[in-house]
Amino acid sequence: EVQLVESGGGLVKPGESLRLSCAASGFTFSSYSMNWVRQAPGKGLEWVSSVSSTSTYIYYTQSVKGRFTISRDNAKNSLYLQMNSLRAEDTAVYYCARDFQTYDTSGLDYWGQGTLVTVSS
Amino acid sequence: IQMTQSPSSLSASVGDRVTITCRPSQSIRTYLNWYQQKPGKAPKLLIYAASSLQSGVPSRFSGTGSGTDFTLTISSLQPEDFATYYCQQSYSPRWTFGQGTKVEI
Repeated sequence: EVQLVESGGGLVKPGESLRLSCAASGFTFSSYSMNWVRQAPGKGLEWVSSVSSTSTYIYYTQSVKGRFTISRDNAKNSLYLQMNSLRAEDTAVYYCARDFQTYDTSGLDYWGQGTLVTVSS
Repeated sequence: IQMTQSPSSLSASVGDRVTITCRPSQSIRTYLNWYQQKPGKAPKLLIYAASSLQSGVPSRFSGTGSGTDFTLTISSLQPEDFATYYCQQSYSPRWTFGQGTKVEI
């Protein structure tokens, strides 16, 4: 059974840092691109970042570029999101999600339960 | 790429046929996915590549479209279908979601 379990969320002050983790199991983690998607309270989904299976390709949404860093450790079946210089508008539930990617399409077929990040003074 | 869904919300009854539209700001060929999200839960993939039904998803869900005009249809709304639906493009490396369509009773 595919499982994605996020951890590391919490309450931080503006300007502080936080590192999210996502532990994957039930599939060959090293074969899949992985993503972070967030959802602010009462708002819609926002794609945040992606990393390819071997970390060759990394992308960010513009609002987090230069502040967030996505990474993965295939030996530990883990995905990470280092978040620096946090702002109030980064407050959200952060989901880890797997990209099922085929030769001609891609999408997010498995999601974690999410971890809440609250940025407030 | 901006994704615009319409309507933002709709009211429907069990058994109704429901249609949700998604329009990207540029052509995305068929790189379009649909997700369902219920309150407090993670999203669930319904449709990928514009019209392919994800495994385990009921056949009352269907997707059509290409380029800049896409549609998600629920042929006969069931009680468990009351949720928020999102489209998402995977054409560009920086993915984007629509703002969501809430389907209410």
